[in-house]
Order: sequence, then C-alpha cells, then structure tokens
Amino acid sequence: AQSVTQPDIHITVSEGASLELRCNYSYGATPYLFWYVQSPGQGLQLLLKYFSGDTLVQGIKGFEAEFKRSQSSFNLRKPSVHWSDAAEYFCAVEYGNKLVFGAGTILRVKS
Amino acid sequence: NAGVTQTPKFQVLKTGQSMTLQCAQDMNHEYMSWYRQDPGMGLRLIHYSVGAGITDQGEVPNGYNVSRSTTEDFPLRLLSAAPSQTSVYFCASSYDGTGGNTIYFGEGSWLTVV
Repeated sequence: AQSVTQPDIHITVSEGASLELRCNYSYGATPYLFWYVQSPGQGLQLLLKYFSGDTLVQGIKGFEAEFKRSQSSFNLRKPSVHWSDAAEYFCAVEYGNKLVFGAGTILRVKS
Repeated sequence: NAGVTQTPKFQVLKTGQSMTLQCAQDMNHEYMSWYRQDPGMGLRLIHYSVGAGITDQGEVPNGYNVSRSTTEDFPLRLLSAAPSQTSVYFCASSYDGTGGNTIYFGEGSWLTVV
C-alpha cells in the first residue's frame, strides 16, 4: 500500500538558516510527488511537484525538492528561511489522482 | 477564475444532525474528491468521483455520502453527525483520473460537531 512518512513532527529553524524537511514514500511504480504548505486556518498551497525528468524540482517561494529513487525520498529544501515560511508542510504521493499524505511537519521560525 | 469553491467555510453541528458540504469547480474537471484533515494525520481520502454518475469510497468513507449528478458539483453529506467527524474538509479536483495531473484544492470547510 502507498504511504508517506514525514519523520519530523516539528522543526524550528532560525530566520536566514537553511531548511530541509524530510519525506519518504512507499509506492511500487514511478511516483508522482508533491509538497504542499498550509498556513493556520488556510487551505493547501502547492509548493512543487515531481512527475518525471530532472530529479531536482524548483517550486514557488524559493523552495526546491530532490527526488531520490534509491532512498525513496523527496526532501524539501530552502537555502534561507523567512519568518513567513512558518506553516505546516505536507508531502504527498499520488496514484490515480488520489493523494496519500504524510502527517505533516510544523515549521517554526525563530527571529 | 473561481477554481474549487467550498461552502460553508465554518459550521457547528449538534450530534445527530445532518448537513451537506458543497463543492463546485468551474474547470470542467472529471475527477473530484473529498479529504478530511485531522491533527497529526495529514489528509485522508473520504470519497472520490471519476465523472458524473460515478463515485467510490476512499480510506475513511463511513458516515459520509456523496453523489455526482453533474460534472461541476460534488456534495458531501453527513447523515448523522458525530463528534468524531469534527475536522477540516477539503474538496479537490483534477482533469481526469489517470494520474499525473495537478490537483486543485478548495479553501476548506471547518466543521465542529458538539
């Protein structure tokens, strides 16, 4: 069965520091992978997606993610975090237009 | 450029009451779905539809009913609300059910059952 694991429930980083959020997936075929962000009380915003091709994917707001098939991972990165990045981040794998989400990682940014 | 529209945004229900969460999309998408979001569990699929007249169950369908009489609309019905259904509900749509399409989400509906 398809599954997504986000090992870190909470992460705190200082403003200006780099960020990496981890995501591991379980899926038999070539995965379609997504990262979404959700601010408190808001809906989901798509940050980036991987369908095929280059394993390094660029997204909005300066985020990028790298697909590593050998590690079944799709980690999200940002070189310099801004206070406005504080939110909850969800990794998801898609099969037949159904999404399986990870439990989410809450990002706190220290000033 | 409405995209996926959900109503209501907030609702408080008493245990045993019924209600319908509305979802409409104006992108002529064939595929629509409902998810619920609970703390520490991410989003889980409730029901989905691959086209008008066709619906199927997702991971957590119990207590919910859906129908798809038109391409545009995909309402979610709570037949007899229970406190366990307190959650945030998201409707989503995409071009079709073949995979690899961008999935668009509504803004969410916050439901509290007391």
